[in-house]
Amino acid sequence: GAVVSQHPSRVICKSGTSVKIECRSLDFQATTMFWYRQFPKKSLMLMATSNEGSKATYEQGVEKDKFLINHASLTLSTLTVTSAHPEDSSFYICSAQLLGQYYEQYFGPGTRLTVT
Amino acid sequence: DAKTTQPTSMDCAEGRAANLPCNHSTISGNEYVYWYRQIHSQGPQYIIHGLKNNETNEMASLIITEDRKSSTLILPHATLRDTAVYYCIVKESQGGKLIFGQGTELSVKP
Repeated sequence: GAVVSQHPSRVICKSGTSVKIECRSLDFQATTMFWYRQFPKKSLMLMATSNEGSKATYEQGVEKDKFLINHASLTLSTLTVTSAHPEDSSFYICSAQLLGQYYEQYFGPGTRLTVT
Repeated sequence: DAKTTQPTSMDCAEGRAANLPCNHSTISGNEYVYWYRQIHSQGPQYIIHGLKNNETNEMASLIITEDRKSSTLILPHATLRDTAVYYCIVKESQGGKLIFGQGTELSVKP
């Protein structure tokens, strides 16, 4: 089946630093990837839609200058949390869309970010 | 906002069928019903999707009412590993965003 990986799985960083999270589709090409964040005991919240070769589309209320998204190839999208603060601590999950009849999305395992 | 409503939680005995309901009364004609589940601290896993006919795969069955305003996901023989949050989502088939509601937290008990 379609496999999506994320790296790192866990990261701890200090306030004010930036952190990059990678999302890769391992066995298929994905022109579209999505980034979500999830707080404890809450549902997934869509942050942005990442399109290969073009600018990401951000959901309302998500700061595009704080959450930089780059989708430079058909198998890789990155999310950079800039100038991280403790309130950015969360579980970040990406998904990649499989082109085909039904455009299923396959999710990565998530990245746990802790900002101290 | 999510277009579906689901019970917050359900219990099921191991080995029995788990029937998870979902209401989507405002579904439009070109929207499919998708089901995903999320085991604690993992990414969501695709289960099944359908338009108007009932669907079955190796994981589950999806029963959609004739008026398409509700559906039921059936796990025929629930195991402890099926304990997870189950999300019912309606989405257009071609592209479109998955908007997650609160889901149903299914607890399978021995």
